[in-house]
Amino acid sequence: QVHLQESGPGLVKPLETLSLTCTISGGSIGSYFWTWIRQSPGKGLEWIGFINYSGSHGGSTNRSPSLAGRVTLDLDEPNNQFSLRLTSVTPEDTAIYYCARSPLGSLDHWGQGISVTVSS
Amino acid sequence: DIQLTQSPSSLSASEGDRVTITCQASQGISNSLSWYQQRPGKAPKLLIYDASKLETGVPSRFSGSGSGTDFTFTISSLQPEDVATYYCQQYDHVPRTFGPGTKVDLK
Repeated sequence: QVHLQESGPGLVKPLETLSLTCTISGGSIGSYFWTWIRQSPGKGLEWIGFINYSGSHGGSTNRSPSLAGRVTLDLDEPNNQFSLRLTSVTPEDTAIYYCARSPLGSLDHWGQGISVTVSS
Repeated sequence: DIQLTQSPSSLSASEGDRVTITCQASQGISNSLSWYQQRPGKAPKLLIYDASKLETGVPSRFSGSGSGTDFTFTISSLQPEDVATYYCQQYDHVPRTFGPGTKVDLK
């Protein structure tokens, strides 16, 4: 059974960079779109972007236009991990961040989520 | 971006009631729509994909229909464990987008 687990800091200072990692167990990284989603307190779900394993070429990405200038997505195929970097964070980036697997478009496996607060 | 609107935003129903939620897309998305259940404090869970296909292991009281711009999600007989917020999501276009959610409570 595929299991996803987010890891990273729970507190980030304003204007710093948020870095999160998602570790995949019970499955391989190939042939899926590995996705990040966030949920601000009391709010709905916001799609951040995905990265798709492209073999020797690494990963191809697609990011939300509203965040694209601040978001970097990477894959670490040997370690079965993918990551999110969000630069210049503000309190509006405070949220629960989820990683998820997408076979084609729907998100069939989710991590439990990691709560990130942006505060000095 | 494709906007998804859900109706109603919240509802209260009795155990055993039939519950229906609608999701409307701002432009046609074929059948590229999923429904998720999010219980309080938990991650969302995929229930329906490709508008009408039931995810493995999901009870058959959940169903979905529709294509193009108008979609419907139904719980045929509401159970206490179905208390949750339900979201639709389109994946026909990038960026993927979610509806604002429908909170379902028990009367």
